[in-house]
Amino acid sequence: EIVLTQSPATLSLSPGERATLSCRASQSVSSNLAWYQQRPGQAPRLLIYDASNRATGIPARFSGSGSGTDFTLTISSLEPEDFAVYYCQHRSNWPPLTFGGGTRVEIK
Amino acid sequence: QVQLVESGGGVVQPGGSLRLSCAASGFNFIVSGMHWVRQAPGKGLEWVAFIKSDGSEKYYADSVKGRFTISRDNPESTVYLQMNSLRVEDTAVYYCAKDKIWGYFDYWGQGTLVTVSS
Repeated sequence: EIVLTQSPATLSLSPGERATLSCRASQSVSSNLAWYQQRPGQAPRLLIYDASNRATGIPARFSGSGSGTDFTLTISSLEPEDFAVYYCQHRSNWPPLTFGGGTRVEIK
Repeated sequence: QVQLVESGGGVVQPGGSLRLSCAASGFNFIVSGMHWVRQAPGKGLEWVAFIKSDGSEKYYADSVKGRFTISRDNPESTVYLQMNSLRVEDTAVYYCAKDKIWGYFDYWGQGTLVTVSS
């Protein structure tokens, strides 16, 4: 089973600042990685798939990069609605599909 | 627009059973794989099960294998999760999600809460 480790667990930033979230896989997943946003009380929402492709309707301030074992989600300038929990997830050699433990982006 | 509406959650005793349903609309259900994903209270996301568009392939997380069964009714655009031998650790919000390109989740329902407690 591929283990995804996200860091940091919590990121405290102000609106307008840049957020950089990390996801590391226990073995190579090539570019088979997605990012999701989950706001309190809501279902997750797909942001990025195949490491760097924005999903339908996702603003350009969200970008993904990386391949192999190291991936990054960048939010270029935080909007108030971006304060949420973010999860990475792989689809390499599944089952199982697994998620990282999440990074909470909170208002500083 | 895509809609996924789960139902069937509730409170059940350990060892009991529940069947969750997910009614889909707004997309071509018969060509779409479907997943169940769960989230224990205050915890992260855990993939539970997948069923291919025609039902010919089904996959499960080890934590539920042999206890849960995923199925679908394509004419009714509904996917099901039959949960037997429920354990306290199965307590979670259960989401159904539409598959995107074999292994991502591009649309999610609002979730249904399953509580396993004596």
